[in-house]
Amino acid sequence: EAGVAQSPRYKIIEKRQSVAFWCNPISGHATLYWYQQILGQGPKLLIQFQNNGVVDDSQLPKDRFSAERLKGVDSTLKIQPAKLEDSAVYLCASSFGVAGKSTDTQYFGPGTRLTVL
Amino acid sequence: GNSVTQMEGPVTLSEEAFLTINCTYTATGYPSLFWYVQYPGEGLQLLLKATKADDKGSNKGFEATYRKETTSFHLEKGSVQVSDSAVYFCALYTRGSNYKLTFGKGTLLTVNP
Repeated sequence: EAGVAQSPRYKIIEKRQSVAFWCNPISGHATLYWYQQILGQGPKLLIQFQNNGVVDDSQLPKDRFSAERLKGVDSTLKIQPAKLEDSAVYLCASSFGVAGKSTDTQYFGPGTRLTVL
Repeated sequence: GNSVTQMEGPVTLSEEAFLTINCTYTATGYPSLFWYVQYPGEGLQLLLKATKADDKGSNKGFEATYRKETTSFHLEKGSVQVSDSAVYFCALYTRGSNYKLTFGKGTLLTVNP
């Protein structure tokens, strides 16, 4: 079974530029998560989708971050404009069940390491 | 809200030594508990989990027991190997948080031959 795919693996940009990350979850997984992992810290949830609807985006900085999951499959996370403090690893995860009705395991992709100069 | 506190690292051990990484939590509601591992250059992998009090999760020689009375989920391994060198994260979720994982800060383990 293929795992969660993410691209690019690495990205270096200057502050105020825009960047987008892509995630393809495990086939058939209804729930998709984006986490931000700052160096030396544990991952923090940015946004959670159930199929193509948003379940939780309470910790997403909406003035600069946006995410979508068209057709309930793959997803993109965008930052516009980027700030220095956005330097982090962005992790995508997916789980089989529907949020709120299941306690499935979350499977993580390899992450995208973003460096903002 | 939910929070996880885990032992600060780094932890450096010799091969075949005994490992304990402490993890305690606070949660609103009844949590499920997890240990994830992150090997160098790789993504997070689920190591083990426990979903109710007194459950013991185990995998690859690692174990952790869900202790509700002490709100703890300490990770142990009787004999570590060089290949166990990684960052270990304790995490939890609750139904009330929509199964959003809350992670600790991670503990870097280095095992020397």
